[in-house]
Amino acid sequence: DAKTTQPPSMDCAEGRAANLPCNHSTISGNEYVYWYRQIHSQGPQYIIHGLKNNETNEMASLIITEDRKSSTLILPHATLRDTAVYYCIVRTDNTNAGKSTFGDGTTLTVKP
Amino acid sequence: GAGVSQSPSNKVTEKGKDVELRCDPISGHTALYWYRQRLGQGLEFLIYFQGNSAPDKSGLPSDRFSAERTGESVSTLTIQRTQQEDSAVYLCASSLASTSGRYFNEQFFGPGTRLTVL
Repeated sequence: DAKTTQPPSMDCAEGRAANLPCNHSTISGNEYVYWYRQIHSQGPQYIIHGLKNNETNEMASLIITEDRKSSTLILPHATLRDTAVYYCIVRTDNTNAGKSTFGDGTTLTVKP
Repeated sequence: GAGVSQSPSNKVTEKGKDVELRCDPISGHTALYWYRQRLGQGLEFLIYFQGNSAPDKSGLPSDRFSAERTGESVSTLTIQRTQQEDSAVYLCASSLASTSGRYFNEQFFGPGTRLTVL
């Protein structure tokens, strides 16, 4: 699986959009971009994933650049409860590729 | 609750003892994963089970670590002769395995077992 690079920490004001970047310059054509988050003392939670088109769900939006070498997770209206570590990972989506190693992620702190 | 459960939630043991950690995946999920998370660090893949296929053990750090899974249900991670560096939170996750693609890798994580080796 391709490696990812994320900033170690970011701050965001409550109610504003949080934009979390991720670089994955070695991504291959069959690899998806996945985002998870981990709130303190809890297990990670799936947020969203995509291949090349932008995706949106009830939690967030995922913007993937045309060359797929980077992506941005957008939380449109951050709340204090969105304070967490956000992990960006890339991996293939087939039945033999279940393993993932999550890096150190980005610690997002939402401030009042 | 239909989520992934793990037990015990906390385990304190003495160096050199063996420990067993249990994971109950979501019913119907054929894929099961174990991860280790040291304090302040990301998740480190350990092992992956998929149906009746041979497990992917490539992430196990040493031969002191082993895991088993009964069919498509409970899994047990065993650490023999524990060392202080084994202290971490051990997380289990499960997911569907589907050739449709969309849901396969939507992993659902358990709350973890916090292991402390004294």
